[in-house]
Amino acid sequence: GESVGLHLPTLSVQEGDNSIINCAYSNSASDYFIWYKQESGKGPQFIIDIRSNMDKRQGQRVTVLLNKTVKHLSLQIAATQPGDSAVYFCAENPRSGGYNKLIFGAGTRLAVHP
Amino acid sequence: GAVVSQHPSWVICKSGTSVKIECRSLDFQATTMFWYRQFPKQSLMLMATSNEGSKATYEQGVEKDKFLINHASLTLSTLTVTSAHPEDSSFYICSARPGQNTDTQYFGPGTRLTVL
Repeated sequence: GESVGLHLPTLSVQEGDNSIINCAYSNSASDYFIWYKQESGKGPQFIIDIRSNMDKRQGQRVTVLLNKTVKHLSLQIAATQPGDSAVYFCAENPRSGGYNKLIFGAGTRLAVHP
Repeated sequence: GAVVSQHPSWVICKSGTSVKIECRSLDFQATTMFWYRQFPKQSLMLMATSNEGSKATYEQGVEKDKFLINHASLTLSTLTVTSAHPEDSSFYICSARPGQNTDTQYFGPGTRLTVL
């Protein structure tokens, strides 16, 4: 289940289960969204992206769902493995001021237990 | 392809000194690079956008005279933390965008700065 840690909420799952990580974004003008995985002491690693003209996109073992009505993004990981343990961030491109910058969400720690 | 490196990977310095961090795109040209700061158990916060050959654009609340950014070539941006203090201790991450007409950003491995 989910729990709120010191700063990052944590999702604990059993190996082999499916994981769903949620993200609420802030800007209704955002038209590009990305999910990143960050392992301890490393930079973010791209997982999957989606544009606002889509509501679902699938990759290898991952699916991103976008609900623009409620400004919600989710990342689904199928058959979660111990190597999936990391912090996951969603990011949005708010298109403000013409700059293509990314605004990161708070992050969720995924803990996979054998 | 699309590798971004940072140097150093970690640095320890004394309070009051300046520290320079390099961000390099190894196999592509980056007209725009971004600098982020990340405190423990927190998210990445964008500090500034660095455009090759022009002044950096700083986010609100980021002191441009304290965090000097230079983007002198299409493969190198530097961040200098001037007169560093313990509260500047953080994980600094850069990213690079390969061209103007793309949203893609490739991230570096980060630099851990500890100010004593």
